[in-house]
Amino acid sequence: EPEVTQTPSHQVTQMGQEVILRCVPISNHLYFYWYRQILGQKVEFLVSFYNNEISEKSEIFDDQFSVERPDGSNFTLKIRSTKLEDSAMYFCASRDLAGATYEQYFGPGTRLTVT
Amino acid sequence: GQNIDQPTEMTATEGAIVQINCTYQTSGFNGLFWYQQHAGEAPTFLSYNVLDGLEEKGRFSSFLSRSKGYSYLLLKELQMKDSASYLCAVRSGSGGSYIPTFGRGTSLIVHP
Repeated sequence: EPEVTQTPSHQVTQMGQEVILRCVPISNHLYFYWYRQILGQKVEFLVSFYNNEISEKSEIFDDQFSVERPDGSNFTLKIRSTKLEDSAMYFCASRDLAGATYEQYFGPGTRLTVT
Repeated sequence: GQNIDQPTEMTATEGAIVQINCTYQTSGFNGLFWYQQHAGEAPTFLSYNVLDGLEEKGRFSSFLSRSKGYSYLLLKELQMKDSASYLCAVRSGSGGSYIPTFGRGTSLIVHP
């Protein structure tokens, strides 16, 4: 069964450093998303991406964040200058175009720890 | 703004039925999701309701009343593996906006 994959599973970085979180969505999917979940808190939407551009973003997704689909398979989230409060689990998700269920498939997540 | 309320924790017995409620206050309602999330894992999609009524999918059913700002997830024939957090998320905004707002989740504990 196809699945969304994410690398790395755990990333430790120092405050102020740049990090790139990588995702490989399911191959025939066209919508891609990033979410984050701070430990013990709610899942929060960051951004959605379709047709090589951002379709929606939340207030959290400020200028320090960016997304890119550098090739036909990868989807990345870059955090330019990490802050302590960026420590969270980051989930990538994808869905296909067909159907009205809006069913998304989540990857296993990348745990980002900023020290 | 959005406000989504779910009970923090529920317990139930294996083989029983449990109903997890979700109430919401939002403008521009576009749909409501239920997800299951096991500890340390990613959410998995359970259901998406746009119209009022009950939708059944195997042991899980989801109900929506838009006029009451209310939904529930019904789990039948509970199994130990159903112990997880259940997340209600509301999609809202103008122009068919996707952006979902998640509740804090209901931690369900199934005991023998």
